[in-house]
Amino acid sequence: DADVTQTPRNRITKTGKRIMLECSQTKGHDRMYWYRQDPGLGLRLIYYSFDVKDINKGEISDGYSVSRQAQAKFSLSLESAIPNQTALYFCATSRGTGGRVVAGELFFGEGSRLTVL
Amino acid sequence: AQSVTQLDSHVSVSEGTPVLLRCNYSSSYSPSLFWYVQHPNKGLQLLLKYTSAATLVKGINGFEAEFKKSETSFHLTKPSAHMSDAAEYFCVVSARGDYKLSFGAGTTVTVRA
Repeated sequence: DADVTQTPRNRITKTGKRIMLECSQTKGHDRMYWYRQDPGLGLRLIYYSFDVKDINKGEISDGYSVSRQAQAKFSLSLESAIPNQTALYFCATSRGTGGRVVAGELFFGEGSRLTVL
Repeated sequence: AQSVTQLDSHVSVSEGTPVLLRCNYSSSYSPSLFWYVQHPNKGLQLLLKYTSAATLVKGINGFEAEFKKSETSFHLTKPSAHMSDAAEYFCVVSARGDYKLSFGAGTTVTVRA
């Protein structure tokens, strides 16, 4: 089984609909992230969470919200989906030791492809 | 501020020939640099990382990269391409110890039989 699991893997929805993408992990990591991948733009950070009570906006958080339900679960919501949110979304986790992040060592899920019509 | 530029959006090589993927970085602080690989319909996987030790870094599957501060480069190489190397490759930079990663736009590698 995958260490970082995303559901759904594919979703087609209509403009204005609410969508939730879910992520669960068995790696025991405290830190979780949501990224968006668009062709030619690489990955961009939407939100990140260093523990259940710590949630922070990334570089492109407008139109998105998140919930950290438990150490192992981190969900991303689009309250009212729009076509330019069509993208491939990745959840990732990382270790953190005390105050120091083991920077760059992210562990990714297989992605959730979202299409907004 | 930090950023990376991957100089080639697409690289095509024949099986058994060398692979070179070019990456230049910009960072206000001492950088950590990484290469990630993404195979079709899969998540990203860490290939290798530079975090201030040896400037020549060896990774998985025969890949290596050299950190050149004077050229602000971190190019990825492999002596002999295999069909399984066909994937998208991302160069990534962060300020050392920082969680904030800046991804390049990616380089798609095609391997011809």
